[in-house]
Amino acid sequence: QKEVEQDPGPLSVPEGAIVSLNCTYSNSAFQYFMWYRQYSRKGPELLMYTYSSGNKEDGRFTAQVDKSSKYISLFIRDSQPSDSATYLCAMSAGNTGFQKLVFGTGTRLLVSP
Amino acid sequence: EAQVTQNPRYLITVTGKKLTVTCSQNMNHEYMSWYRQDPGLGLRQIYYSMNVEVTDKGDVPEGYKVSRKEKRNFPLILESPSPNQTSLYFCASSLWTGDTEAFFGQGTRLTVV
Repeated sequence: QKEVEQDPGPLSVPEGAIVSLNCTYSNSAFQYFMWYRQYSRKGPELLMYTYSSGNKEDGRFTAQVDKSSKYISLFIRDSQPSDSATYLCAMSAGNTGFQKLVFGTGTRLLVSP
Repeated sequence: EAQVTQNPRYLITVTGKKLTVTCSQNMNHEYMSWYRQDPGLGLRQIYYSMNVEVTDKGDVPEGYKVSRKEKRNFPLILESPSPNQTSLYFCASSLWTGDTEAFFGQGTRLTVV
């Protein structure tokens, strides 16, 4: 079993839809939860990060963490064609010592005009 | 501009011919790492470096070598490439290990025939 599981998609939605992207994980030591966005032929870039449980909002994006269920989500409101990309979740156990990032496989999102 | 620069972007080579993919960052980051990205497998860490002259194996180190003689550079060496090393490679750097924000290069698409 992988430490982080993510549905590869593709997820196709019309412009303006609310998008929900999710990851599950098995390592209860994870405390930092991140979402990276990767456009075609580009490297991943950090979109949002959340520490421990709870919600974090940034414009049209909301990151949600439920540690009791080992489940994280990224919501995109009013989705735009420019949001079409692969979204990778990533996690790490902490900010002291060596704690590497563990990535999901990524979900490909397609937003059609 | 803060960035991670990889070269080359695209490379086609033959089995057994040694090659080096260069990676350089201008952010004075301590931590650098190499990943390969394959469909259905996501980002897998090959090697990482916590500082100059400090390197260690990641999850898939077989067939690769690295060195960290200067803080800014972290080349990936394939001494005898094989077709199963055909992949998309990313170099990443972050301020410290486990940092929530890893900065990725643009990627190197390697094909070994």
